[in-house]
Amino acid sequence: TQLLEQSPQFLSIQEGENLTVYCNSSSVFSSLQWYRQEPGEGPVLLVTVVTGGEVKKLKRLTFQFGDARKDSSLHITAAQPGDTGLYLCAGGGGKLIFGQGTELSVKP
Amino acid sequence: NAGVMQNPRHLVRRRGQEARLRCSPMKGHSHVYWYRQLPEEGLKFMVYLQKENIIDESGMPKERFSAEFPKEGPSILRIQQVVRGDSAAYFCASSLRTGGDYEQYFGPGTRLTVT
Repeated sequence: TQLLEQSPQFLSIQEGENLTVYCNSSSVFSSLQWYRQEPGEGPVLLVTVVTGGEVKKLKRLTFQFGDARKDSSLHITAAQPGDTGLYLCAGGGGKLIFGQGTELSVKP
Repeated sequence: NAGVMQNPRHLVRRRGQEARLRCSPMKGHSHVYWYRQLPEEGLKFMVYLQKENIIDESGMPKERFSAEFPKEGPSILRIQQVVRGDSAAYFCASSLRTGGDYEQYFGPGTRLTVT
């Protein structure tokens, strides 16, 4: 059974700080997606990483896919209150498997 | 281009009633997925459908739950004789095709409350 474990589960930081969220598995994934979910809404796709070692940037967000395609990380530079939300990694193709999520709170 | 649409956004049912949740995929998408998010739990896959076909229902409870995606109209997730444990957020997603490289886009969800 494929599993994705995210860490940390909760993160509370001040505006302007940097942070990294990790998504790990013992299984190989052909791709991983990162989503952000706000209360009362559905997950919004941020990025898909496909190639081992791949790095993608989305403004202040940097996503990396591990060389062995078993893990991924999300790094946010100079976090802002608008970054607050639940960050989810997912993989598995048609039948997505989700990590349990990282609740990020950025205080002004 | 409209995103994935779900209705209703909120649904309250008494124990024993039926709940019908609707999902219209993004334009051009023919693959639909249903997920459930229980309080304190992550998103869990329930079922994957294409038009008029159930492709994978390995995440569906064996009883009371069913799903369809007819040739015309939205996909429907049906829960018969609801119980309090069915209270959750139900999300629909759609994709252009299936597989690792075809991204799934999610709707806003239906929050089901069973009283």
